[in-house]
Amino acid sequence: NAGVMQNPRHLVRRRGQEARLRCSPMKGHSHVYWYRQLPEEGLKFMVYLQKENIIDESGMPKERFSAEFPKEGPSILRIQQVVRGDSAAYFCASSPAVPGGSTDTQYFGPGTRLTVL
Amino acid sequence: KQEVTQIPAALSVPEGENLVLNCSFTDSAIYNLQWFRQDPGKGLTSLLLIQSSQREQTSGRLNASLDKSSGRSTLYIAASQPGDSATYLCAVQYNFNKFYFGSGTKLNVKP
Repeated sequence: NAGVMQNPRHLVRRRGQEARLRCSPMKGHSHVYWYRQLPEEGLKFMVYLQKENIIDESGMPKERFSAEFPKEGPSILRIQQVVRGDSAAYFCASSPAVPGGSTDTQYFGPGTRLTVL
Repeated sequence: KQEVTQIPAALSVPEGENLVLNCSFTDSAIYNLQWFRQDPGKGLTSLLLIQSSQREQTSGRLNASLDKSSGRSTLYIAASQPGDSATYLCAVQYNFNKFYFGSGTKLNVKP
């Protein structure tokens, strides 16, 4: 069973461009979470999605950031008009539909490292 | 407001020492607590998961304890090795939703 997959692993953008980060959850998982890690800091929650629904976006910046998890295909985190402060590692995690067991938790992908020049 | 604090921020020890990493959280109504390891430029590796009803979990040289009433968890590493050098992150879940992460303890084990 493949783990959570993220691509690209590294992304370089110039200021003002758009960044699109993709996350494919583990097989059988329908819940996706996005986190951001600034240099030398812990991870900060951004958004929680289920298929075709945003459940909690309390950690998303109000402007330029959006996320989706369509019925088919990966979850996408989109950052429009990137600025240097957006440079960070973006991690995706997934979990099963129903927390049915004592070991159910979120499983993290390897991250996408975004560098804004 | 849920906050997670890790102390110390950095730790350097000689090989072979036993060591303790600390994590504290402000809201004791947790769902579970998890310790992760992160190597430079890499993703997260799950080390130990402690459910809210549990007091501790062990895996090899690692032991994590949980005291909900005091809002604390410790990660004990026995007989440390240079390969243990990494950043250790504590993360708390309050429902089956988002994690709240500490800023991590950066561990350096010297040969």
